[in-house]
Amino acid sequence: ETGVTQSPTHLIKTRGQQVTLRCSSQSGHNTVSWYQQALGQGPQFIFQYYREEENGRGNFPPRFSGLQFPNYSSELNVNALELDDSALYLCASSGDRVLGSPLHFGNGTRLTVT
Amino acid sequence: DAKTTQPNSMESNEEEPVHLPCNHSTISGTDYIHWYRQLPSQGPEYVIHGLTSNVNNRMASLAIAEDRKSSTLILHRATLRDAAVYYCILRDPLETSGSRLTFGEGTQLTVNP
Repeated sequence: ETGVTQSPTHLIKTRGQQVTLRCSSQSGHNTVSWYQQALGQGPQFIFQYYREEENGRGNFPPRFSGLQFPNYSSELNVNALELDDSALYLCASSGDRVLGSPLHFGNGTRLTVT
Repeated sequence: DAKTTQPNSMESNEEEPVHLPCNHSTISGTDYIHWYRQLPSQGPEYVIHGLTSNVNNRMASLAIAEDRKSSTLILHRATLRDAAVYYCILRDPLETSGSRLTFGEGTQLTVNP
């Protein structure tokens, strides 16, 4: 069973640029979610995708957007990067959208915005 | 979202049991209690969850108070690998955004050799 994989592991961008982060879900999982984790804090929910549509969003502006593909892999896109976007970005997959099965997290992408 | 309260840090010795407390006095009747942990440089890892009854799995045990306003994660014999941040999270299985977990700051567990 392949776990959740994320790429790249580290990334450095300049303020104002755009970034795309990628995630491959665990085999058989149809729901993917993204989290932002600032240093020393718990992860914060960004949004969830199910069947290629966003169906839940946290308190993040529209410049955070995503995609889910038919093979359940996913992308997180962030436009107009700000210094505060520097964080660990985590992808998680689960086997159902609602019923509360455990989430399986990747090890994240560390984004640094300078 | 219902809120949980955990101590910021706890310390244990290797091979001794560890009891990690969590208070959730505003828990609703449908909320499950989930525990995740995050080892250094890794994403969170599911540990255990329960609703009303105590639960056991290969990683840990979860003891839930009768009034459900608190719970305790029990690691029966701590190892150095158990050093991590432990998060107690309430999860409503009926929420549309089923993957929305509200993480607090968790408890940093230090395990001494």
